[in-house]
This record gives sequence, C-alpha cells and structure tokens, in this order.
Amino acid sequence: KAGVTQTPRYLIKTRGQQVTLSCSPISGHRSVSWYQQTPGQGLQFLFEYFSETQRNKGNFPGRFSGRQFSNSRSEMNVSTLELGDSALYLCASSPMGTGGLETQYFGPGTRLLVL
Amino acid sequence: KNEVEQSPQNLTAQEGEFITINCSYSVGISALHWLQQHPGGGIVSLFMLSSGKKKHGRLIATINIQEKHSSLHITASHPRDSAVYICAAGTGTASKLTFGTGTRLQVTL
Repeated sequence: KAGVTQTPRYLIKTRGQQVTLSCSPISGHRSVSWYQQTPGQGLQFLFEYFSETQRNKGNFPGRFSGRQFSNSRSEMNVSTLELGDSALYLCASSPMGTGGLETQYFGPGTRLLVL
Repeated sequence: KNEVEQSPQNLTAQEGEFITINCSYSVGISALHWLQQHPGGGIVSLFMLSSGKKKHGRLIATINIQEKHSSLHITASHPRDSAVYICAAGTGTASKLTFGTGTRLQVTL
C-alpha cells in the first residue's frame, strides 16, 4: 500500500495570505489527524477528522481549519498567515482513530515558511 | 508542567552502547506511543503500548501504568539510530496525541 502523502512538500507565503495543505491517507484509513511542529512548541495536535467529521480539535485559533472528503483525503487551511505559522505540518492516518489505540502513520510533512 | 516529559533532551553515545530514553506522563492514557523522527522530518511510529513490554529488533519499549512512566531502550546502538525520539500519549476517544519534547540521540563510531 502506498504511504501517507502530503502536498505540497514546501511552501513559501507572505503574511496575510492563506494556504491550503493536502493529505492523502493510506487506502482504507478513515481517520486523519493534523499536527504542527515548530522549534519552540514542538509537536502539537491541530485536529482530527473521521468520516468527514471533525472529531477533535487542538488549541489553535479559528484561522486554522480543515475538512475531509468522502475518499478520506483531507485538507487544512490557514487564513491570514502570521510569521509564527511557519512550521512543519504533518498529517497522520489510522484505520479507525480509536482513542490513540492505533498506530498512526505519518506523512512526510509540508514545510511552510511565512515571510 | 508539561503533560508528557522526556529525558534526557540530548544524548550522545558510542556505537554499541545500550541507550535508555525515559518518558513520564501526568494524564490518563489509552496508549503510549514512541516515535522516531529523522533529520528530513518524517516520523515513523516505533511502538504503541498500553501495558508491559514490546520488542522489535534492537528496540525495546516498556511501560509502568501505575508509575506513569515508559522507557525506550536501544541495544547495541548504531549510527543509523541517530534521530529524535518522541513519546506521545494517546488519550480520550479520538486520535489526539500529546507529545513530549523529544530526545535527540547521536550515535558516533
């Protein structure tokens, strides 16, 4: 099976712009989680989608949003970009997303730089 | 105080040494995950455990639920083990992970 894929891999934006990142989970996986990794804050949970519904959300402002399509592919959107949004954005998929009791399979990440 | 704490933050070892990385957590967990992140950024899941001990090759992970503590051991370390090792607590009923700050391991010849 193909692994988790994320596009684009690298992105440069300027403050105030918006960005959309895409994640394709492993075939058959219905849960997609998004994480932000920065040198200062480390890895932080953004949100999780399961069967097109947001099931859990981390402590991030409303500028961060996401959605999941019927084929389980997921997108996350960040509006009105700030310098502090520069980070590695990782998505991970798992079959059912059952309470952290499943192994999560991570994509390679999208590295976003906000200038 | 972070909900998941790791020690040490940095670790340098010589090839062949036995390595231990520790993880303590203060939240109730459904499972404890150990992850490996190489310099390119990609993360690989090494172990997921909710009790006892698991072994995969030279890697061993243990967890003590009563003490809320887990350890990752690497036997006969090798330079290719150089990476950041992250423990993460899986909690609740959704796939939300709370991460430790990571341990940067460098294994030299």
